[in-house]
Amino acid sequence: AQKVTQAQTEISVVEKEDVTLDCVYETRDTTYYLFWYKQPPSGELVFLIRRNSFDEQNEISGRYSWNFQKSTSSFNFTITASQVVDSAVYFCALSEARGTGFQKLVFGTGTRLLVSP
Amino acid sequence: KAGVTQTPRYLIKTRGQQVTLSCSPISGHRSVSWYQQTPGQGLQFLFEYFSETQRNKGNFPGRFSGRQFSNSRSEMNVSTLELGDSALYLCASSWGGGANYEQYFGPGTRLTVT
Repeated sequence: AQKVTQAQTEISVVEKEDVTLDCVYETRDTTYYLFWYKQPPSGELVFLIRRNSFDEQNEISGRYSWNFQKSTSSFNFTITASQVVDSAVYFCALSEARGTGFQKLVFGTGTRLLVSP
Repeated sequence: KAGVTQTPRYLIKTRGQQVTLSCSPISGHRSVSWYQQTPGQGLQFLFEYFSETQRNKGNFPGRFSGRQFSNSRSEMNVSTLELGDSALYLCASSWGGGANYEQYFGPGTRLTVT
């Protein structure tokens, strides 16, 4: 069965601090896709990144970076020099290619990030 | 390009009533998925439609149903509303229907059942 665990319920940091959001996943499939979404107070989920199971290269996009490690089934997200606008709930999600192979995201419980000035 | 739109944004209904929520995907997107978000259960998959066909369904009772039209717009219906149906209902669209495609979400419809 597929499962995504985000053990950190809430993280509070001061602006300009670096912060890492943890994500651990479980799947029996060899082909799968991992995603991160941001949910600001407005409620809309904003797509941040997609990673497939065959690509373990880390990715950097501005202040955001992602570390994918299949050996530990983790897909962690780091925000460098955090800003108040980064305050939101962040969700990690998993999509499996086997079975129907169709669209179905399994989400973690989310991590609420509070960045104070 | 316009994003995913959902109507209405807020809804208050009474137990036992039924409700219909609407979703317009991003232009050109053929897959539409629905998710329910509650404080207790988090984000849960309801169903997914592609070319007017429901291809995947989550673990929800038959009171939850949906459909997709030829222009890819989708509606979901909940009959005989229960208090536990109070939630944020999110619609997402993607260009392709495979597991690898990223989904783009709408702002959601917040349903309150009293």
